[in-house]
Amino acid sequence: GAVVSQHPSRVICKSGTSVKIECRSLDFQATTMFWYRQFPKQSLMLMATSNEGSKATYEQGVEKDKFLINHASLTLSTLTVTSAHPEDSSFYICSARVVRVGQQETQYFGPGTRLLVL
Amino acid sequence: SQKIEQNSEALNIQEGKTATLTCNYTNYSPAYLQWYRQDPGRGPVFLLLIRENEKEKRKERLKVTFDTTLKQSLFHITASQPADSATYLCALLNQAGTALIFGKGTTLSVSS
Repeated sequence: GAVVSQHPSRVICKSGTSVKIECRSLDFQATTMFWYRQFPKQSLMLMATSNEGSKATYEQGVEKDKFLINHASLTLSTLTVTSAHPEDSSFYICSARVVRVGQQETQYFGPGTRLLVL
Repeated sequence: SQKIEQNSEALNIQEGKTATLTCNYTNYSPAYLQWYRQDPGRGPVFLLLIRENEKEKRKERLKVTFDTTLKQSLFHITASQPADSATYLCALLNQAGTALIFGKGTTLSVSS
């Protein structure tokens, strides 16, 4: 099956610092990856769509200068939370789109990264 | 804008019973709907996809129905087990067809 990994799984940082989260597709190539954020007992909220070789598409209300996304290869997308503040503390999850011939697309999710900003 | 509602935040049932979870959506006619399982502190795991022209889909102890008139999907787990305890999310492709949007989820607890 399609496996997506995220690193780190958990990170604690001081307010004002930047944090980079990596999302990798391990056994397939993903031209499109997605970044979600999830607060406790809330739904996954789509932040942005990351396309390999082009700029990411951000959802309304998500600051592109604060959440930098880079999709430099077909197996790696990174999300950098710049100048993190306590309100950025959340569970960040990436996913990769898989489209198989003759089938509808499916998304495979990474295990998530828990960010705590002190 | 599209809305997805999973009516129950939590559902508690006894082992061996059938769990039924509901997903309703508005302002949209999706080509298909998906169900995911999410365990605490983990990313969602894909379970089933049902297309608009399919009334019902089964996979082992799981059954999903899709009523496009009612704009509703039901997710059933038969002969439930404590290991089925998790949060179950329904998801639709957004209207632009570019990304999935998720309901808040229903947390199922199966007691032995």
